[in-house]
Amino acid sequence: GQQLNQSPQSMFIQEGEDVSMNCTSSSIFNTWLWYKQDPGEGPVLLIALYKAGELTSNGRLTAQFGITRKDSFLNISASIPSDVGIYFCAGLRIHNNAGNMLTFGGGTRLMVKP
Amino acid sequence: EAGVAQSPRYKIIEKRQSVAFWCNPISGHATLYWYQQILGQGPKLLIQFQNNGVVDDSQLPKDRFSAERLKGVDSTLKIQPAKLEDSAVYLCASSHQAGNRYEQYFGPGTRLTVT
Repeated sequence: GQQLNQSPQSMFIQEGEDVSMNCTSSSIFNTWLWYKQDPGEGPVLLIALYKAGELTSNGRLTAQFGITRKDSFLNISASIPSDVGIYFCAGLRIHNNAGNMLTFGGGTRLMVKP
Repeated sequence: EAGVAQSPRYKIIEKRQSVAFWCNPISGHATLYWYQQILGQGPKLLIQFQNNGVVDDSQLPKDRFSAERLKGVDSTLKIQPAKLEDSAVYLCASSHQAGNRYEQYFGPGTRLTVT
């Protein structure tokens, strides 16, 4: 099946630092979605990207849909403690007769440096 | 706008018992999904409904898992009999598409522990 490679798997942040994570695939996607999941909760949609090259911001978050349609990155600027959590990328392929299938990356766990 | 609702939030059962989860999608969302999320991994699709029809259930272990969405709104996912490896969070999601704009929203999940 399709594979989404998300990196890094985990990272420590210090408050105020910028954070970057990305997803790559061997397959082309029509849409990229970025989610954040807090413990005990479902993933929350942060940003949706629909066109190759598209750059979209949501507050301190910025995400881009790669030109090749096989990758996407998410940046968080000036991180704050509540940014801690697990971030997932998800790629969507549209199948006209069989519905839309979303494939998830393995997640990037953001933690605060002690 | 109300989000995706799921119940129960937590369930502990013994292996070989049965369990059922319920989901109410966002109003107006025709597509509903059930995912299994094992600790430390991303969600894995189990089944996808479009209205009350199944679009994709290729990843659903049909010998023990079943799901239905009889009236095209609420859905239930059942496991019978449960195995230890079924311990996971079961997430329900619903989606909306307008033109090429697609968004999928998740419920809070049901955490299942099989002992």
